[in-house]
Amino acid sequence: AQTVTQSQPEMSVQEAETVTLSCTYDTSENNYYLFWYKQPPSRQMILVIRQEAYKQQNATENRFSVNFQKAAKSFSLKISDSQLGDTAMYFCAFMKMEYGNKLVFGAGTILRVKS
Amino acid sequence: KAGVTQTPRYLIKTRGQQVTLSCSPISGHRSVSWYQQTPGQGLQFLFEYFSETQRNKGNFPGRFSGRQFSNSRSEMNVSTLELGDSALYLCASSLGGLAGAFETQYFGPGTRLLVL
Repeated sequence: AQTVTQSQPEMSVQEAETVTLSCTYDTSENNYYLFWYKQPPSRQMILVIRQEAYKQQNATENRFSVNFQKAAKSFSLKISDSQLGDTAMYFCAFMKMEYGNKLVFGAGTILRVKS
Repeated sequence: KAGVTQTPRYLIKTRGQQVTLSCSPISGHRSVSWYQQTPGQGLQFLFEYFSETQRNKGNFPGRFSGRQFSNSRSEMNVSTLELGDSALYLCASSLGGLAGAFETQYFGPGTRLLVL
């Protein structure tokens, strides 16, 4: 079975600064996907960024980028130029490459952006 | 394009009752997955439906069941409610394409269930 660990329950960052959220996972699979989802307070969960395990290049989406270390089973999220709207719970998630969808989530990290 | 919708948004039930939650996926999406979110257990996968068939299942007791209709709308049912079933139930939809396809799941706002 796969497990996802987010070791930082809460983090805070000043507006315009950079913050990195950590995620490690455990799997014996070689082909899989990794995701970061954002859940703002009382709002819907949305996808922030995703990474295919077979790709060595780290994914980037505007201010969001990941550091994917497959051998270390690490998948951290870097948020640059933090904005107040980035305040949310962030979930790291794993999905095996198979027919069908089944996300395995970490416990989440609450990120607070301060002005 | 309308997003994933879930009804009702809030629900209060008592122990022993049963409840049905509904999820309407994004138009054209054929896969619907259900997740339970609680402070203690976090987000846990319940099951996934694709073309009216259960395609994946999590580790939940048989009291949790679901189904999908021909228009891809899905319902989940929880029978004999327990206090521990209090949670935010999220559904997510995706296109439901080829095996191993790299698809994004789009989440609904959730149904918050309180069991008293």
